[in-house]
Amino acid sequence: GALVYQYPRRTICKSGTSMRMECQAVGFQATSVAWYRQSPQKTFELIALSTVNSAIKYEQNFTQEKFPISHPNLSFSSMTVLNAYLEDRGLYLCGARQGPNTEVFFGKGTRLTVV
Amino acid sequence: GDSVTQTEGQVALSEEDFLTIHCNYSASGYPALFWYVQYPGEGPQFLFRASRDKEKGSSRGFEATYDKGTTSFHLRKASVQESDSAVYYCALEGSSGSWQLIFGSGTQLTVMP
Repeated sequence: GALVYQYPRRTICKSGTSMRMECQAVGFQATSVAWYRQSPQKTFELIALSTVNSAIKYEQNFTQEKFPISHPNLSFSSMTVLNAYLEDRGLYLCGARQGPNTEVFFGKGTRLTVV
Repeated sequence: GDSVTQTEGQVALSEEDFLTIHCNYSASGYPALFWYVQYPGEGPQFLFRASRDKEKGSSRGFEATYDKGTTSFHLRKASVQESDSAVYYCALEGSSGSWQLIFGSGTQLTVMP
């Protein structure tokens, strides 16, 4: 079956430091990967959408300078949170799909705590 | 812009009760509509989707029918179990061409034995 793995599952970093999280699609070719952040209030914010062979598109309030993303192949994507601060806390979710009109599979997320 | 509204923030039921979670959307055309379920400590799990008027999606006893007239995609289950306790999210696929999912605010379902 199709699965999306995210690691680490949880991480704690000191304010002002950076951390990298990874997303791997297993059982299908992820032509598109979207990174979301779920706040403690459970709302979802789309950070960016990455499609193979296309430029990564960042949503308003999120920038490449703060959340650089790498999507080198059809099974792997990574995102870094640079200079993390308290407002960056949350559950970072990776959603991947094989193509248009297909279901989006999510990983279990990486929970970021900033201290 | 496109949006999804879930009116119930929390729903509390007993086992074998009938479940309805309301979902209304605002978007042009026929956006694909989804239901996801999220358990504590997990990412959202895909339940089902529908993309045409009157199309019914279903999975694990849950179902919803795409209704263009009322712009709704209400989630229903005839008989809930304690194991159904989770947060349920309605979502639509944005019409901007970027396939982003726009989620509703979620409904916490608690089923008591």
